[in-house]
Amino acid sequence: QVQLQESGPGLVTPSETLSLTCTVSGGSISHYYWSWIRQPPGEGLEWIGYIHYSGSTNYNPSLKSRVTISLDTSKNQFSLKLSSVTPADTAIYHCARSWPSSGGFPKDFDFWGQGTLVTVSS
Amino acid sequence: QSALTQPRSVSGSPGQSVTISCTGTSSDVGGYNYVSWYQQHPGKAPKVIIYDVSKRPSGVPDRFSGSKSGNTASLTISGLQAEDEADYYCCSYAGIYSLVFGGGTKLTVL
Repeated sequence: QVQLQESGPGLVTPSETLSLTCTVSGGSISHYYWSWIRQPPGEGLEWIGYIHYSGSTNYNPSLKSRVTISLDTSKNQFSLKLSSVTPADTAIYHCARSWPSSGGFPKDFDFWGQGTLVTVSS
Repeated sequence: QSALTQPRSVSGSPGQSVTISCTGTSSDVGGYNYVSWYQQHPGKAPKVIIYDVSKRPSGVPDRFSGSKSGNTASLTISGLQAEDEADYYCCSYAGIYSLVFGGGTKLTVL
């Protein structure tokens, strides 16, 4: 059974960079899309972006200027960096896996991590 | 890329049926047959219950069904059970390799 586990600092100072890692176990990182999705406390889900195992990426247009997602296949991990954070970036951050569609893009999420709460505060 | 529109809350009694709507545009829900639904219990990770508008992953009861008409997708839960009380989110492919979620619906089983 595939398992995803997020890790990283739970507190980030405003204007700094939020950095999280997702470790994938029970399966290979190859052949899939890997996404970050966040959920502000008491609010809905927001897709942040994805990376394909080939290294190609795509980001939510509203966050694109601040987001970088990278992959480390040797460690079966992928990472998120979100720069210039503000309190509005406080959220539970989930990582998730997608099968590729017939068109070659992610369309849904079949495995999720439990999520990690990141608070942006001074 | 705006969030899909869902009712904030719905409710039903055990054994009844409820339907949750998810309204988007022709650029997302209406443009592709790639709508998925997720169930999230408090403190837990979301779980996919419907994908490709109406397909159920293995292990998901057939009480859960999905459909789409125009720019609106729907999730119907029949034979409501207490354990169905959760938050439900829709998600759609939105073109240009992007995805968009709905705001979520809280289902209360009375």
